Amino acid sequence: EVQLVESGGGLVQPGGSLRLSCAASGFTFSSYWMHWVRQAPGKGLVWVSRINSDGSSTSNADSVKGRFTISRDNAKNTLHLQMNSLRAEDTAVYYCAREDISGWYYFDQWGQGTLVTVSS
Amino acid sequence: DIQMTQSPSSLSASVGDRVTITCRASQSISSYLNWYQQKPGKAPKLLIYAASSLQSGVPSRFSGSGSGTDFTLTISSLQPEDFATYYCQQSYSSRTFGHGTKVEIK
Repeated sequence: EVQLVESGGGLVQPGGSLRLSCAASGFTFSSYWMHWVRQAPGKGLVWVSRINSDGSSTSNADSVKGRFTISRDNAKNTLHLQMNSLRAEDTAVYYCAREDISGWYYFDQWGQGTLVTVSS
Repeated sequence: DIQMTQSPSSLSASVGDRVTITCRASQSISSYLNWYQQKPGKAPKLLIYAASSLQSGVPSRFSGSGSGTDFTLTISSLQPEDFATYYCQQSYSSRTFGHGTKVEIK
C-alpha cells in the first residue's frame, strides 16, 4: 500500500524555521517526482515546490523562493521541506504529493498533511 | 504563470442532480488538466487526469472534458458522498490549482 506520512509541523514564530518531512512507503520512491502543496485555513490548494526523481532539479513557487528548500533522501525514502524566514501567511496545512510518471503530471497520492502555524 | 479560473465558486444541488463545474486556463494547456475532490479535514483525491481520464476506483458518474483553455467536470447524478470541494489543476507549465468549487446540499 502506498503511504505518504508528513511530520514536522508545529507552532513557530515569525522569522523562524521549520523542517517538514514526508516518509514514503509502498512504492519505488526514487522513481517519482515529489511535490509540496499547502492550504491555508479555509482557503484553496496552492502548489509550493517540486523535486525531480534524483534530486538534481527543483522548482519553487514565487511566494517561497529564497526561503523554502525542497530536498530528498532516496536511500531513506524521505522528502523534506526546509522553511526559513517564516511569515504569518505561510500558516497552512502542508501536503506532500506524488506525481505520476506517465507523463501527464498529476498528483495520484497525497499524505494526510501537517499543520504549520506561524504566530508570535 | 498560467492562471486557472473555476466557476462557480460554490453551488447548491440535490441528490440526483447533474452538476457541471468549469475551469478556464489563461493560456492553452492542451489536455494537461486534472480534477481533485477534497472533503473537510482530508487530503485531496484525484478524480480525473489528462482532462478526461477517470482515475482507477473513481465512480463512472464523474467525467471530464475539454482541451486547450476550457474544461468541464461533470457529475451525472450527485450522490450524498459527493458533497465536497472540487479543484482543477494544470500541469502543462509548473503546477497551478483553481480556487475551488464547493458543492453543497440544497
